[in-house]
Amino acid sequence: SQTIHQWPATLVQPVGSPLSLECTVEGTSNPNLYWYRQAAGRGLQLLFYSVGIGQISSEVPQNLSASRPQDRQFILSSKKLLLSDSGFYLCAWSEGSHTEAFFGQGTRLTVV
Amino acid sequence: KQEVTQIPAALSVPEGENLVLNCSFTDSAIYNLQWFRQDPGKGLTSLLLIQSSQREQTSGRLNASLDKSSGRSTLYIAASQPGDSATYLCAVRRGTNAGKSTFGDGTTLTVKP
Repeated sequence: SQTIHQWPATLVQPVGSPLSLECTVEGTSNPNLYWYRQAAGRGLQLLFYSVGIGQISSEVPQNLSASRPQDRQFILSSKKLLLSDSGFYLCAWSEGSHTEAFFGQGTRLTVV
Repeated sequence: KQEVTQIPAALSVPEGENLVLNCSFTDSAIYNLQWFRQDPGKGLTSLLLIQSSQREQTSGRLNASLDKSSGRSTLYIAASQPGDSATYLCAVRRGTNAGKSTFGDGTTLTVKP
């Protein structure tokens, strides 16, 4: 069966520090991968998606970047965090554009 | 641009009651709609996926319907239990562009014992 792992679960980082959040999927090949951010009490905003290794599409301009160095690995990064980067970040995958999406357990990022 | 609205934002019911959560979307050109459950501080758990060609899907005490032409979906929960307390999110998906999803803000359900 397929599983998705996302870490760390929580992270507190000072303003101006770098960020690296990692997401890996097991049990499938060539999944579509997604990074979402969720503001408090709100729905999810899509940040990045990837349909293959090295293929990254950005949905909104921001201080973050994403990379997909391996088929089932998706990384969310920043060179210098801003206070506004605080939030709940969720990684998701699906086998294609038409199938069910599955989510990781999320990372609570607090920038101080 | 697709917009997804969920009403009500919060709902409190006594245990055992049947209830309906609503989701509406502005662009009916969707490929599918998915309902999720989110517990506080956790990720999303998929509940039901309805393809655009389907009218409803059922899983246990949950039944989701889809009326694509009117841009509406409902999630029906039968015989609610305290363990059903969570935030319920709906997401609509386009068939192109890697199947990106647009989410509603969710309905927070509290089932009182």
